[in-house]
Amino acid sequence: KAGVTQTPRYLIKTRGQQVTLSCSPISGHRSVSWYQQTPGQGLQFLFEYFSETQRNKGNFPGRFSGRQFSNSRSEMNVSTLELGDSALYLCASSLVGVTTKGETQYFGPGTRLLVL
Amino acid sequence: KNQVEQSPQSLIILEGKNCTLQCNYTVSPFSNLRWYKQDTGRGPVSLTIMTFSENTKSNGRYTATLDADTKQSSLHITASQLSDSASYICVVSARDSNYQLIWGAGTKLIIKP
Repeated sequence: KAGVTQTPRYLIKTRGQQVTLSCSPISGHRSVSWYQQTPGQGLQFLFEYFSETQRNKGNFPGRFSGRQFSNSRSEMNVSTLELGDSALYLCASSLVGVTTKGETQYFGPGTRLLVL
Repeated sequence: KNQVEQSPQSLIILEGKNCTLQCNYTVSPFSNLRWYKQDTGRGPVSLTIMTFSENTKSNGRYTATLDADTKQSSLHITASQLSDSASYICVVSARDSNYQLIWGAGTKLIIKP
């Protein structure tokens, strides 16, 4: 069974540009969550999608948005990039995303974004 | 405020030795606690998940303990190997309206030959 895949793996952009990152979950998984990880910081939750609907949202500005398609693939978009957006962006998938029931999340390798 | 704190921040041990990583949390109401291993430049991989009623869970050479009364967890690694070099992250799930996961900053473990 293929794992979670993320594209691209590396990306360099300049301030003010926008970027779109893609995540393909494990086959059969319907929940996709996005996280930002910066050096020295824990993972910061961005949002979770389930059945094409945003179910949870973290404390990030509106420049960060996402969507999920009918095949559960998800995209994340960041507009008007800032230097502080440089980070590793991780996507995680799970069957239904019910974290309270101890469901395991499976992470992709991440997309490393550098904003110059 | 829901928080997860891990100690130590970093740890260096010799190959073959044991070590214990700590996690204290103030998440309430508590749902479950997870330990993840994250190799440099890669996504985290789940090691264990424990609910309120579980106080020990093992995954090979990794053993996690949970004391829900003191809100503490530990991850014990036995007979360390070079491949254990990674960051170990403690994550607590709150039984709140968002069911979000609260992530610790991690402990960076380095195993030296």
